[in-house]
Amino acid sequence: QLQLQESGPGLVKPSETLSLTCTVSGGSISSSSYYWVWIRQAPGKGLEWIGNIYYSGATYYTPSLKSRVTISIDTSKNHFSLRLSSVTAADTAVYYCARSLDHDGGWLQFAYWGQGALVTVSS
Amino acid sequence: DIVMTQSPDSLAVSLGETATINCKSSQSVLYSSNNKNYLAWYQQKPGQPPKSLIYWASTRESGVPDRFSGSGSGTDFTLTISSLQAEDVAVYYCQQYYTTPPTFGQGTKVEVK
Repeated sequence: QLQLQESGPGLVKPSETLSLTCTVSGGSISSSSYYWVWIRQAPGKGLEWIGNIYYSGATYYTPSLKSRVTISIDTSKNHFSLRLSSVTAADTAVYYCARSLDHDGGWLQFAYWGQGALVTVSS
Repeated sequence: DIVMTQSPDSLAVSLGETATINCKSSQSVLYSSNNKNYLAWYQQKPGQPPKSLIYWASTRESGVPDRFSGSGSGTDFTLTISSLQAEDVAVYYCQQYYTTPPTFGQGTKVEVK
């Protein structure tokens, strides 16, 4: 059964870079059938898509974060990663990694989710 | 961006009764070439990640009880939970995946009356 697990620091200082990794088990991140995704949810708030990455390394980001976001993939380690630079308190959120429904029409639908990682931005 | 608006924001339903959640998109999410609505529904219980319930507006994920059903087309969609169970208490989100960025509704909290 597919499982996704986020890992990384739970506390990041303002202006620094947030870094998270999503380790995938029970499936290959090299599959051409899916996209791999980052989504976040601020405390008590709704869901915000951050971006998708394909096994080839092709990336798609939400416009509001595009200048600060980098998503990368390491097929040898079966994981993908998120970096968000110049963070502020507004970036405090639970960060989820997910897998898409498919690689075609469902590439922006999120079929499987990790448990999430709370990242707090504070000095 | 496509704006997704859910109604109501919250509702309380007696066990065994029906809960109905509406979702309206600011533009159509029906793709004419394949006649598919790019609309999904998720369930999020407290302290848990969202769980995909329905995609293509009406296709249930494997393992989702058939008391959950999705309907609608174009810009207006409905999630119906028939015979509400205690374990259905959660926040429900609709999401369009017709175009980037994919966007979610604000959520509807379902409680037991």
